[in-house]
Amino acid sequence: GAVVSQHPSRVICKSGTSVKIECRSLDFQATTMFWYRQFPKQSLMLMATSNEGSKATYEQGVEKDKFLINHASLTLSTLTVTSAHPEDSSFYICSARSRPIAGDTQYFGPGTRLTVL
Amino acid sequence: LAKTTQPISMDSYEGQEVNITCSHNNIATNDYITWYQQFPSQGPRFIIQGYKTKVTNEVASLFIPADRKSSTLSLPRVSLSDTAVYYCLVGDMSGNYGGSQGNLIFGKGTKLSVKP
Repeated sequence: GAVVSQHPSRVICKSGTSVKIECRSLDFQATTMFWYRQFPKQSLMLMATSNEGSKATYEQGVEKDKFLINHASLTLSTLTVTSAHPEDSSFYICSARSRPIAGDTQYFGPGTRLTVL
Repeated sequence: LAKTTQPISMDSYEGQEVNITCSHNNIATNDYITWYQQFPSQGPRFIIQGYKTKVTNEVASLFIPADRKSSTLSLPRVSLSDTAVYYCLVGDMSGNYGGSQGNLIFGKGTKLSVKP
């Protein structure tokens, strides 16, 4: 299957700082990328959807000014957690898909563990 | 938006066949059924996807009855390394990516524990 990478795999930061997470599709062009958040022992929660070259669409309850998403190219999307606080500590996972057609699946990155002190 | 229901957990032993059933009574005509596997602290891994009848690949089979209101993921001869959470997603991947499509929404999944 298609390969999606994330960087960094884990990050620890102080409260109030901003953290950027990169998501790359390595062997295909991703017209759409998705960002999820997963708390311990819970399922994945979709945060936002981003299409290359356009603004991201955020799920209800997700602050767009706090979680900045940029999908500048067909292989790269970034999620910036601004002014991070301990409650933002979570496992952030991105996924990507190439074609907007029925049945086309999404492939996930390995995730980024964010810990805010 | 097709909602899915799966058993919370299942236990099995090495070498056995495991069948995990997912109910999706409100599945729409254009919806596909996709299964993912997730290990702790890793992103979900695509297992299999189908629309109707039976689909088989190198790791699993997916059985979908004619009414498509449920589907069953079949894992042949499981090993300890198959211990993971398995998610069933249902939705249409085409068109608007507004984020409310079923195939982007994860349910609670089924935690499979394989014992020696």
